[in-house]
Amino acid sequence: DAKTTQPPSMDCAEGRAANLPCNHSTISGNEYVYWYRQIHSQGPQYIIHGLKNNETNEMASLIITEDRKSSTLILPHATLRDTAVYYCIVTLTGNQFYFGTGTSLTVIP
Amino acid sequence: GAVVSQHPSRVICKSGTSVKIECRSLDFQATTMFWYRQFPKKSLMLMATSNEGSKATYEQGVEKDKFLINHASLTLSTLTVTSAHPEDSSFYICSARVGSPHTDTQYFGPGTRLTVL
Repeated sequence: DAKTTQPPSMDCAEGRAANLPCNHSTISGNEYVYWYRQIHSQGPQYIIHGLKNNETNEMASLIITEDRKSSTLILPHATLRDTAVYYCIVTLTGNQFYFGTGTSLTVIP
Repeated sequence: GAVVSQHPSRVICKSGTSVKIECRSLDFQATTMFWYRQFPKKSLMLMATSNEGSKATYEQGVEKDKFLINHASLTLSTLTVTSAHPEDSSFYICSARVGSPHTDTQYFGPGTRLTVL
């Protein structure tokens, strides 16, 4: 079963930062936080993952709280092509992914 | 990034027939692949874990005799839906595991839409 809770939907203005929260209060010490997104009728796309430290790549930044019970995915300058369902997944490295319901992000022109 | 392909992208079949879906890792070897199913407006549901050279591990509630998984090589896993029925109509997605401990992640295929008439 999914170990994460995300808001079902969010809107963001084009060009602004999109901040997507995820609660994972039962995360264990060795579990990673992964973020993926799924555009309609496509396979999920990997965005970023992390264990304890904040992470940044060309797509996004991942901020993990010190107690690791929650995290935020930040898309710094949202575009219309970022409209998708975003999934936060908590799991041990190499283990199965159990998807929750995700957050449907709509970027508004 | 790592590329995973699926074939076919769409398939329509008659009730009672079997359908095979292929999942390939194009530029890397994958000892572990995963199969998911997704119904309209729902999240992905893990069906099984496919390990190269050994039997697949199925999630609770997934019929292993109906959904046959074969992972015969490090770049290919297949899912066969046997005696398909309309309720098996769904979007089937595979993923392949890549990497070492800190970089370990899954890359997903584009999915296969199965329609059973």
